[in-house]
Amino acid sequence: DGGITQSPKYLFRKEGQNVTLSCEQNLNHDAMYWYRQDPGQGLRLIYYSQIVNDFQKGDIAEGYSVSREKKESFPLTVTSAQKNPTAFYLCASSIDQIGNQPQHFGDGTRLSIL
Amino acid sequence: GNSVTQMEGPVTLSEEAFLTINCTYTATGYPSLFWYVQYPGEGLQLLLKATKADDKGSNKGFEATYRKETTSFHLEKGSVQVSDSAVYFCALSLRNQGGKLIFGQGTELSVKP
Repeated sequence: DGGITQSPKYLFRKEGQNVTLSCEQNLNHDAMYWYRQDPGQGLRLIYYSQIVNDFQKGDIAEGYSVSREKKESFPLTVTSAQKNPTAFYLCASSIDQIGNQPQHFGDGTRLSIL
Repeated sequence: GNSVTQMEGPVTLSEEAFLTINCTYTATGYPSLFWYVQYPGEGLQLLLKATKADDKGSNKGFEATYRKETTSFHLEKGSVQVSDSAVYFCALSLRNQGGKLIFGQGTELSVKP
């Protein structure tokens, strides 16, 4: 089955540590996105990529970094500069970069601070 | 700026009741509009969409009509079930802006037997 796989499902970070969240898709989609979800709030865009080797900052990119070396993969690194990283992180992809087609979401990674 | 506003939750209904979740938007240009649903501990699933004014999206008994004159995209269902309990998100995307979604804050729906 085609879809988006995020791993791990739960992740714990120590103070001063960088952690990387994995996102893999086999939908052959060009565009990929990372969102952050906090309790009782909507999703906010962290980074997005419309094509391999290119990505753009979203609304809350500070303290995060991404890479897009392969079409299928869009890992997100939460750096030690992100002072409030506890959240639910969702990866999405879309066949459409224009905005007419929906995004497909993974099941998310829940990040907590030890 | 561009934004989406949803009615506050949680919304609690009895089974077979009528559901309306209000969604209004502010956008430059002509957005595409979406409703997504999120079950506990999961990602978001597309529920329905509309890409131009007066379009009606529908799926699984849910409907929403793109109203340009009132900048609204209200979600409705005639008879809710316990299995509809979830968080519902209204979202928009603007053409030629990378397909980014702008979300409302979500509305939690709880349906009691």
